[in-house]
Amino acid sequence: GNSVTQMEGPVTLSEEAFLTINCTYTATGYPSLFWYVQYPGEGLQLLLKATKADDKGSNKGFEATYRKETTSFHLEKGSVQVSDSAVYFCALVMDTGRRALTFGSGTRLQVQP
Amino acid sequence: KAGVTQTPRYLIKTRGQQVTLSCSPISGHRSVSWYQQTPGQGLQFLFEYFSETQRNKGNFPGRFSGRQFSNSRSEMNVSTLELGDSALYLCASRLTGDQETQYFGPGTRLLVL
Repeated sequence: GNSVTQMEGPVTLSEEAFLTINCTYTATGYPSLFWYVQYPGEGLQLLLKATKADDKGSNKGFEATYRKETTSFHLEKGSVQVSDSAVYFCALVMDTGRRALTFGSGTRLQVQP
Repeated sequence: KAGVTQTPRYLIKTRGQQVTLSCSPISGHRSVSWYQQTPGQGLQFLFEYFSETQRNKGNFPGRFSGRQFSNSRSEMNVSTLELGDSALYLCASRLTGDQETQYFGPGTRLLVL
């Protein structure tokens, strides 16, 4: 079946540091890929998405590029802020079939001032 | 445009009871999906409703059920609650069942004692 693997956290960074959260996927077919963010006590917010190979999703300084050859969708940000502290989920949805989101286990990011 | 709303936000029940959770999708969205989030299992798909019909179902026992009304609002019901049903239940809506992007509500946190 389809699956998403994320790097384990927590990831602890100082403010203004560079962020990378790794995400790889296994899927039969052509998934769309997403990053969602969850702040404490809240639901999931869509951060960015990419629907086909080589697409780059971006939002609020975060970026991720859909790499079909490495089945990856790593999340990056050049300079993190304390307010970026949250749990980040990588997810995929297939373009056929059930079309339900398959999530990774989440990576907690802690940014220290 | 208002986002996805879920009620109640918090709920405490005892084993053996049943519970009903409600979700109102973004205006115009016709597809509603439900997910369960637990520390041990992460985010798992429960089911999806579109135009009052269940389109897809995850691997959960029959104690978990749902329905959708003509105004696209959805409810999910869990009967004979077990301690393991304690979780954050998230509702997500999308325009149609074929759109990739799902938008999540804040969730209902259920505690079963």
